[in-house]
Amino acid sequence: DAKTTQPNSMESNEEEPVHLPCNHSTISGTDYIHWYRQLPSQGPEYVIHGLTSNVNNRMASLAIAEDRKSSTLILHRATLRDAAVYYCTPGHNAGNMLTFGGGTRLMVKP
Amino acid sequence: SQTIHQWPATLVQPVGSPLSLECTVEGTSNPNLYWYRQAAGRGLQLLFYSVGIGQISSEVPQNLSASRPQDRQFILSSKKLLLSDSGFYLCAWSDPGGADTQYFGPGTRLTVL
Repeated sequence: DAKTTQPNSMESNEEEPVHLPCNHSTISGTDYIHWYRQLPSQGPEYVIHGLTSNVNNRMASLAIAEDRKSSTLILHRATLRDAAVYYCTPGHNAGNMLTFGGGTRLMVKP
Repeated sequence: SQTIHQWPATLVQPVGSPLSLECTVEGTSNPNLYWYRQAAGRGLQLLFYSVGIGQISSEVPQNLSASRPQDRQFILSSKKLLLSDSGFYLCAWSDPGGADTQYFGPGTRLTVL
C-alpha cells in the first residue's frame, strides 16, 4: 500500500492562499490521488482527486508533481470554514481502497 | 442524487454489551461499502469493505463483524463490546466504476463505559 506523509498542522490567515503538501513516493502508476477534509465531529468530505494532470474544482486546486510522488492541495482564499483536517490518500484499484493517514490540521486565523 | 445514512448518531454502551450500527445508501446500485473507525484525534482505520451482497473483507482482526444483507445496507456488529471499541464509526460508499472516490456518512460516536 502507498504511504503518505503530511505535516501534522499548518496555519493560515483568512483570505490568504494555502498550500497543503503531501508526499506519496510509493504510489502506483494507476492510483488516483484523493484529498478529503474532515470538520470536527463530521465524516470526511471529498475535496478533489487527480491522476497526472493538475485539477481544479469549486473547492480547491490539486497540483501533482510530474513524477507523481507528491501533490499539493491549494485553497486559493482560506476562510474560517476551511479549518479542518485534510487527508491525502492514494486510491487502490482493488475495491476502491483508500488509506487514510494522520492528515494535516489546518488552522485559519481571522 | 446519492445519500448515505448512519444510525444511531451517538451511542453509549456498557462493556460486554452487543452492538449493531446500520448504514444505508440511496440513489445508487451495487456500491462498494466500507466501515472505518476513528479514535479520538487520530486518522481513519479501515475495518471492513464489501463489493457485493454477502461479500465482506476484514482489514483488522478484532471482535467486530460486518454484514451486507441487502445491496445498499451495511451493518457493523459486535457480540461483546470492549473499552477499546470506543470511537467514531464511519460508513462510506464508492462507485465500483469510478475513480475510487468515497463518500462518507455522518458517523456514529460510540462510547463504551
